Amino acid sequence: GENVEQHPSTLSVQEGDSAVIKCTYSDSASNYFPWYKQELGKRPQLIIDIRSNVGEKKDQRIAVTLNKTAKHFSLHITETQPEDSAVYFCAASISPYNTDKLIFGTGTRLQVFP
Amino acid sequence: DVKVTQSSRYLVKRTGEKVFLECVQDMDHENMFWYRQDPGLGLRLIYFSYDVKMKEKGDIPEGYSVSREKKERFSLILESASTNQTSMYLCASSPLSGPGIVSEQYFGPGTRLTVT
Repeated sequence: GENVEQHPSTLSVQEGDSAVIKCTYSDSASNYFPWYKQELGKRPQLIIDIRSNVGEKKDQRIAVTLNKTAKHFSLHITETQPEDSAVYFCAASISPYNTDKLIFGTGTRLQVFP
Repeated sequence: DVKVTQSSRYLVKRTGEKVFLECVQDMDHENMFWYRQDPGLGLRLIYFSYDVKMKEKGDIPEGYSVSREKKERFSLILESASTNQTSMYLCASSPLSGPGIVSEQYFGPGTRLTVT
């Protein structure tokens, strides 16, 4: 069945450093790739997404890249801050056509140390 | 501002009880979803609904059922709760965007269910 693998499961960085989280997906028909951030005790919230007709998207300190040929996409956070500490989930849309389902990765716990 | 609410933040039930988890969204979204979240397993889809009275199984539907009698409300039912259903349950909703287009899902705050 469809699958999304996410790595690493935990990531610790020093404040100011960059963080990269990688995901691979199995369904070649997937065309929507969101990233959600879940702070401790809170609900997941969308932070950035990318569609399959775009290779890269940036929003201030965060960016997502997509390689459709290799079926992987990555989240890049630059100049990390303590408030970036959270669990991050990647996801990919699932065919068949007209389905609004997402399949999620297993999450990455990011810790940013001051 | 999209608002998705869930009936309880914390719930403790006994093995064998019938459990109802309620989710309400106020943005007239067509799609609603139920996930369970477990450490190391991410978010796994239990059931989803794309219209009133319509439902489809997700990846882990066993032991669960759902009900959607009104567009804004989506209920998850544990027919006979078991200890392996102890988990965080998250509801989400999204608008129906069109052919081949998937929209952002908006999540509720979650219900932490403990079955003893």
